Amino acid sequence: GQQLNQSPQSMFIQEGEDVSMNCTSSSIFNTWLWYKQDPGEGPVLLIALYKAGELTSNGRLTAQFGITRKDSFLNISASIPSDVGIYFCAGQGYGGSQGNLIFGKGTKLSVKP
Amino acid sequence: DVKVTQSSRYLVKRTGEKVFLECVQDMDHENMFWYRQDPGLGLRLIYFSYDVKMKEKGDIPEGYSVSREKKERFSLILESASTNQTSMYLCASSYTGGGYGYTFGSGTRLTVV
Repeated sequence: GQQLNQSPQSMFIQEGEDVSMNCTSSSIFNTWLWYKQDPGEGPVLLIALYKAGELTSNGRLTAQFGITRKDSFLNISASIPSDVGIYFCAGQGYGGSQGNLIFGKGTKLSVKP
Repeated sequence: DVKVTQSSRYLVKRTGEKVFLECVQDMDHENMFWYRQDPGLGLRLIYFSYDVKMKEKGDIPEGYSVSREKKERFSLILESASTNQTSMYLCASSYTGGGYGYTFGSGTRLTVV
């Protein structure tokens, strides 16, 4: 099935550092979403983006819907230990099975205290 | 608080057993999904359902079946469990029409021995 290209696959960073990750697709999406999965739990929605060029923040998290509608970016500022987990991007198309989410493979974030 | 509830967090089953994974949502969502998650492979869609008694194959349906007799409940069935079905299984639900993303359960970690 179709998948998004999410990078990097994993990151080891120092507490307090900023983090950037991105997703790219060969298809256009009308919605981009970012999820976080804590260890041993299901993914939880962090941010949803609905318009090309849109920039949305949720606390220390900022995400952007790429202007081409084929990419999205997530930034985390001043990372803390509880940011550890797997971050997934997801794109959503129009109606029917095209309305199903297409997920990236995830970015595993580890934070050194 | 809206929820997707998976009946078991951890399961250990023997090879050849018939296994039932249950998922219940209380949000009156039309759509329900089953994924499996394996390290490095991301989230892979097994089956999904847009309505009661309806089901659609995802990307990896082999060895699985599903049942949706009521709107709030979506069951994943492993007809004859095998060791390569050892995985984390995630259930999710969503509204039709898109734009809202999915709500995930906490997952069932299944080990087949």
